[in-house]
Amino acid sequence: RKEVEQDPGPFNVPEGATVAFNCTYSNSASQSFFWYRQDCRKEPKLLMSVYSSGNEDGRFTAQLNRASQYISLLIRDSKLSDSATYLCVVNARYSSASKIIFGSGTRLSIRP
Amino acid sequence: GAVVSQHPSWVICKSGTSVKIECRSLDFQATTMFWYRQFPKQSLMLMATSNEGSKATYEQGVEKDKFLINHASLTLSTLTVTSAHPEDSSFYICSATLDSSNQPQHFGDGTRLSIL
Repeated sequence: RKEVEQDPGPFNVPEGATVAFNCTYSNSASQSFFWYRQDCRKEPKLLMSVYSSGNEDGRFTAQLNRASQYISLLIRDSKLSDSATYLCVVNARYSSASKIIFGSGTRLSIRP
Repeated sequence: GAVVSQHPSWVICKSGTSVKIECRSLDFQATTMFWYRQFPKQSLMLMATSNEGSKATYEQGVEKDKFLINHASLTLSTLTVTSAHPEDSSFYICSATLDSSNQPQHFGDGTRLSIL
């Protein structure tokens, strides 16, 4: 089982729709969580950190469920510019060190 | 916000050439920098973790003599692909973080390496 798993998609939704995807992680001692977006042939860019109480940034809402070990990203009123690959990032804690682990990404395509 | 600069952004060179890529944190001191490689339509693959003033930690399967990493200061890490071959052609991306625990990583623009 991968340490961080994401549905690769692609998710193909119409402009204006609400879309959500999850990311599961296996290490229960994971400390911090992030969502990044990566456009084709570009570097990943931080979208938002994910806090225990859940957090919102405009049309984007991130949530953490420690009991079930997943994080989620919800995008409301999707725009064409939201088309990208969304990467889930988990900082997993092991006995001697922590390790940052990237999911393989979920591809999102918004159609007019 | 935190800015990471990577240079060069694009390299095309002959097989057998060594290529050096620089990664700089412009407005913060990065205790830890990471080097990734990404092949087309694949996910990021961590190559190594670089801490200032100490030897880099390489991921399994990554040859340390092939991919030389130097993290001489808190704002600069370099990756040298030695004697590059066509199979080394890839998108190389660095990232930097203030510390490796709870802070997000900030990525450079990436270097597209093409070996002929």
